[in-house]
Amino acid sequence: SQQGEEDPQALSIQEGENATMNCSYKTSINNLQWYRQNSGRGLVHLILIRSNEREKHSGRLRVTLDTSKKSSSLLITASRAADTASYFCATDALSFQKLVFGTGTRLLVSP
Amino acid sequence: DAGVIQSPRHEVTEMGQEVTLRCKPISGHDYLFWYRQTMMRGLELLIYFNNNVPIDDSGMPEDRFSAKMPNASFSTLKIQPSEPRDSAVYFCASSLGNTDTQYFGPGTRLTVL
Repeated sequence: SQQGEEDPQALSIQEGENATMNCSYKTSINNLQWYRQNSGRGLVHLILIRSNEREKHSGRLRVTLDTSKKSSSLLITASRAADTASYFCATDALSFQKLVFGTGTRLLVSP
Repeated sequence: DAGVIQSPRHEVTEMGQEVTLRCKPISGHDYLFWYRQTMMRGLELLIYFNNNVPIDDSGMPEDRFSAKMPNASFSTLKIQPSEPRDSAVYFCASSLGNTDTQYFGPGTRLTVL
């Protein structure tokens, strides 16, 4: 089964609103990464958070990690139409020795 | 660096034909990954290499699929014979370490008729 599961599967918001996506995983990890995929393109790395970190920021992105709940959230503040994409979390579960990608959240930001 | 390069970008073929997808990783990256993405199954890891050696091919769906990495700058994914259910977007990615940030190519959209 998937190591990472994103929630919600799809999210539709207006420009200027914040978008929050969640990722849950099942086993202990070293780090968790978030990627973005624009339609018809490859995935692009956004941010990496290590297991000993609780929060990380990059521009309009804020990522949190709760290892006790085995979950992470990605917050995009003041969203723009250009943020429309699918967002994936990826975990490096200690038992897998490789990155395992979740199912993704499709974000639609309307002007 | 130009990033990960994949060719062709689009491939349309008929059932039973051989298909070869190509990938050039970022120079200096020791790991290369092949993924398949479909609406139904999402993003699946097919196989990955470390220093040109296949490490984990547990995601390769069946014997019709094979992958090679003859040198550090080139890899191929071959499907022979191809079937309609192989239609998908195939991505190649490379990284410095097996769980480090991965850099994806633009993908090859394969359609098998």
